[in-house]
Amino acid sequence: GESVGLHLPTLSVQEGDNSIINCAYSNSASDYFIWYKQESGKGPQFIIDIRSNMDKRQGQRVTVLLNKTVKHLSLQIAATQPGDSAVYFCAEDAGNMLTFGGGTRLMVKP
Amino acid sequence: DTEVTQTPKHLVMGMTNKKSLKCEQHMGHRAMYWYKQKAKKPPELMFVYSYEKLSINESVPSRFSPECPNSSLLNLHLHALQPEDSALYLCASSQVNREEQYFGPGTRLTVT
Repeated sequence: GESVGLHLPTLSVQEGDNSIINCAYSNSASDYFIWYKQESGKGPQFIIDIRSNMDKRQGQRVTVLLNKTVKHLSLQIAATQPGDSAVYFCAEDAGNMLTFGGGTRLMVKP
Repeated sequence: DTEVTQTPKHLVMGMTNKKSLKCEQHMGHRAMYWYKQKAKKPPELMFVYSYEKLSINESVPSRFSPECPNSSLLNLHLHALQPEDSALYLCASSQVNREEQYFGPGTRLTVT
């Protein structure tokens, strides 16, 4: 489930299930989008990116979907593993700087 | 080498101190960035250097002073900071000023 409020939104999934993390972006001029994973005590780590001329891109166990009509981005993680537990940020680039979304904490239950 | 390194890992400083954060990359990237990240928040852009020249300053107070001595190094000089400046300071680099950014592990700064 998800919880919002004073804490980061949290998604809790069972190990082996698929995870979907959503992000709404604000700038219709943004043409490049990235998903980052940040583990505790570490810097953000690149996962996957997508340009605005695409609506889907697949990596290893991850898929990013882009819906420009509603300014929505999602990250799908297949067969979620304990090592996927982290905070996930989407980021948008409108040409001169990267702006990060608020982040979602993914917790994987064994 | 696909690594961005940052030193020190942790820094505690008083409000009257002067200190510097250092960042280094050897990927041949010509854009380098400083971000500030508070707990449970996303990184916020502070400065962008492109070809060793400051191209973006996101209205950062003058007590933070960036410096790019060469294409591999980026410094952030700190002076007369406030307790609310305590945060994780992240450095990143990219091939050009729009591509995937590689982040360092950050410096955890505490201002007392």
